Amino acid sequence: EAGVTQSPTHLIKTRGQQATLRCSPISGHTSVYWYQQALGLGLQFLLWYDEGEERNRGNFPPRFSGRQFPNYSSELNVNALELEDSALYLCASSLGQLNQPQHFGDGTRLSIL
Amino acid sequence: GESVGLHLPTLSVQEGDNSIINCAYSNSASDYFIWYKQESGKGPQFIIDIRSNMDKRQGQRVTVLLNKTVKHLSLQIAATQPGDSAVYFCAETSMEYGNKLVFGAGTILRVKS
Repeated sequence: EAGVTQSPTHLIKTRGQQATLRCSPISGHTSVYWYQQALGLGLQFLLWYDEGEERNRGNFPPRFSGRQFPNYSSELNVNALELEDSALYLCASSLGQLNQPQHFGDGTRLSIL
Repeated sequence: GESVGLHLPTLSVQEGDNSIINCAYSNSASDYFIWYKQESGKGPQFIIDIRSNMDKRQGQRVTVLLNKTVKHLSLQIAATQPGDSAVYFCAETSMEYGNKLVFGAGTILRVKS
């Protein structure tokens, strides 16, 4: 069974640009989560999508947004990139119910120059 | 703010010994807990989970203990192997978190051969 896949593996942008990160969940999973892992800050929750709807949002500014497609894959968009957005962005998927294991991909390393 | 296990200790163990990794969580309403292993350059890998109606759960070479009275979680790894070297994170969630995982800072496990 294929795990969670993310693309691209690495992304280099400059300040003010926009970035799009993509995630394909495990087959059968309807929920997709996005987390940011910045150096020294640990893993921080960004967004939760289930059945195409945004279900929960972490404490991040509105320039972090995303969507989930009918095939349950997801995009994370970050607008007006700032230096502090440099981080590993991790996607996880799970069955849609509460309290289900979240399985992670290997992330997209976003570097802002 | 939200926090689970803010410290980032390092645990060094001899190959073949048992390892115990500890985690303190802050929300007494948390009802679902997960342990993850993260190796360099990879995303967190699900190890084992436990719900708040349990005190102990065993997997292959791993055991998770939950003490709700003192809000403490531990991961025991039997017969630790060099391949167990990684950063280990505990994570909690609850109804009020809406499927958001709150992660601890992590513990580095180093296995000496």
